[in-house]
Amino acid sequence: NAGVTQTPKFRILKIGQSMTLQCTQDMNHNYMYWYRQDPGMGLKLIYYSVGAGITDKGEVPNGYNVSRSTTEDFPLRLELAAPSQTSVYFCASSYQGAEAFFGQGTRLTVV
Amino acid sequence: GENVEQHPSTLSVQEGDSAVIKCTYSDSASNYFPWYKQELGKGPQLIIDIRSNVGEKKDQRIAVTLNKTAKHFSLHITETQPEDSAVYFCAASLPYGNNRLAFGKGNQVVVIP
Repeated sequence: NAGVTQTPKFRILKIGQSMTLQCTQDMNHNYMYWYRQDPGMGLKLIYYSVGAGITDKGEVPNGYNVSRSTTEDFPLRLELAAPSQTSVYFCASSYQGAEAFFGQGTRLTVV
Repeated sequence: GENVEQHPSTLSVQEGDSAVIKCTYSDSASNYFPWYKQELGKGPQLIIDIRSNVGEKKDQRIAVTLNKTAKHFSLHITETQPEDSAVYFCAASLPYGNNRLAFGKGNQVVVIP
């Protein structure tokens, strides 16, 4: 099993550009999550999904969108990149009641 | 909502000594408390977790204790080694929260050889 795979690992965006952060997991987990990590601030939940076709907002959803068309994939979309979205993004998955597995992260810089 | 706080924010220990990190949480209905270790440039990885029906759990050199009355739980690392140097995050489950977790801000642990 590859676990949780995120692409790309690094990206630089200009203000106003859009991009999609990819996340896929091969563990057949029903729950998937997107977090952002800012220095000294821990992990903040952006969006999450409890299964294919179902998504919901977390603590900091503004400026982001997600979709969950399959169990495996949970892409995160930034439509109009802003400097405040400079962060490290982590995707995670879990099976109900069990530990969450994290990807390696995507470091995004918006200039 | 759930509020999780970690103390101290940084901790330096001599190799071989013990390290203790404490977390407090606000919602007494939380029932799952994991600890994650994050090494530089990597994603967080679960190292130990505890559920509210247990007071203590141990796995080799690491242990977690839970005090539900005081609403705090602690990570204990004994016989620290340089590879224990990392950022450690505690988390608490959100009651009725669809498997969501509220994370603390993290502790930087530095083990001095």
